[in-house]
Amino acid sequence: GQSLEQPSEVTAVEGAIVQMNCTYQTSGFYGLSWYQQHDGGAPTFLSYNALDGLEETGRFSSFLSRSDSYGYLLLQELQMKDSASYFCAVSGTGGFKTIFGAGTRLFVKA
Amino acid sequence: DAGVIQSPRHEVTEMGQEVTLRCKPISGHDYLFWYRQTMMRGLELLIYFNNNVPIDDSGMPEDRFSAKMPNASFSTLKIQPSEPRDSAVYFCASSTAGGLGEQFFGPGTRLTVL
Repeated sequence: GQSLEQPSEVTAVEGAIVQMNCTYQTSGFYGLSWYQQHDGGAPTFLSYNALDGLEETGRFSSFLSRSDSYGYLLLQELQMKDSASYFCAVSGTGGFKTIFGAGTRLFVKA
Repeated sequence: DAGVIQSPRHEVTEMGQEVTLRCKPISGHDYLFWYRQTMMRGLELLIYFNNNVPIDDSGMPEDRFSAKMPNASFSTLKIQPSEPRDSAVYFCASSTAGGLGEQFFGPGTRLTVL
């Protein structure tokens, strides 16, 4: 089967850096994705890692270690608008079926 | 492109009634996914299609749920009969790469079954 673990909540200060972790178990692994969801909105794609290492897109970076079944999302220069839920998702068996974690709720304080 | 379009945005119905949710994927996308999101169970994949063909429906909770994709630009998710525990936000998403990368989500349908 497949399962993902994420911390339920993280609080950080505006302008700071925050790291949100994700550990996974899956039979077959193709990649790890990250999505952002604001209250009342739809998930929006942030990043996808298929290989080990760090991917950077503006203030967002995502890291993957396949050997440790672990990844994280790093947000720099936090802004109030970054307050949202962040989901990691794995593409496992078959490659096209995506399983989402329960999400980390990020609170950004002034 | 207008993105993934879902209708209705909100649906309130009574237990036992049939509910039909609709989705128009982004043109050119050959994968379509139906998800359900609740506080208790999070975001669950119900079924996905590739080139209009259902590939994996193992997430469909019961026989009361059915999904069709008669053509590349339209899909439906039907619940018959509906029950209060079906209350959730239902999202449709489409992509060109299955689960390997970005999925584009629609705005969702908030379903309330009384």
